Amino acid sequence: KAGVTQTPRYLIKTRGQQVTLSCSPISGHRSVSWYQQTPGQGLQFLFEYFSETQRNKGNFPGRFSGRQFSNSRSEMNVSTLELGDSALYLCASSQIQGAGEQFFGPGTRLTVL
Amino acid sequence: KQEVTQIPAALSVPEGENLVLNCSFTDSAIYNLQWFRQDPGKGLTSLLLIQSSQREQTSGRLNASLDKSSGRSTLYIAASQPGDSATYLCALWESSNYQLIWGAGTKLIIKP
Repeated sequence: KAGVTQTPRYLIKTRGQQVTLSCSPISGHRSVSWYQQTPGQGLQFLFEYFSETQRNKGNFPGRFSGRQFSNSRSEMNVSTLELGDSALYLCASSQIQGAGEQFFGPGTRLTVL
Repeated sequence: KQEVTQIPAALSVPEGENLVLNCSFTDSAIYNLQWFRQDPGKGLTSLLLIQSSQREQTSGRLNASLDKSSGRSTLYIAASQPGDSATYLCALWESSNYQLIWGAGTKLIIKP
């Protein structure tokens, strides 16, 4: 069974631009969660989607948004990029909503110049 | 507020040693605790998941234990190998905010 895939793997943007990241979960998994990882803050929860609905949200500004499609694939969008948004963005899929075993993708490395 | 602590932040040991990584948490109201490894610049690989009702889980050379009363989980690695070098993170699902709370990780180096 294929693992979690994320595209693109690397991205370079400039301040003020917007970006969309994509995540395809493991087949049969309906929950997708997004995390931001930085050297200073570690891993921080962004949001979780289950059955096309956002179920939980972390403490991030409204510039960070996401959605999930009927095939469970998810996208995350960041608008008006700031230098501090440079990070590794990880998505994880799970069979169940919430407290299920999380399986992570390889991440998207976003650099904001 | 739940806090997850992993000490030490870094550990370097010779190949072949058995070792223990620690994960401490402040609130015992958790659903489960999961251990991951992360190689530099890569995503996270799930190692073991312990449900709140369980005391331990084993996979190959890895054994993870959970003691909610003391707010502690340990990851035991037997007969360490250079390929075990990575950062090991623990994360737990807390009941109040219903989200995954992360430790900062322990960077493990196994010297050949």
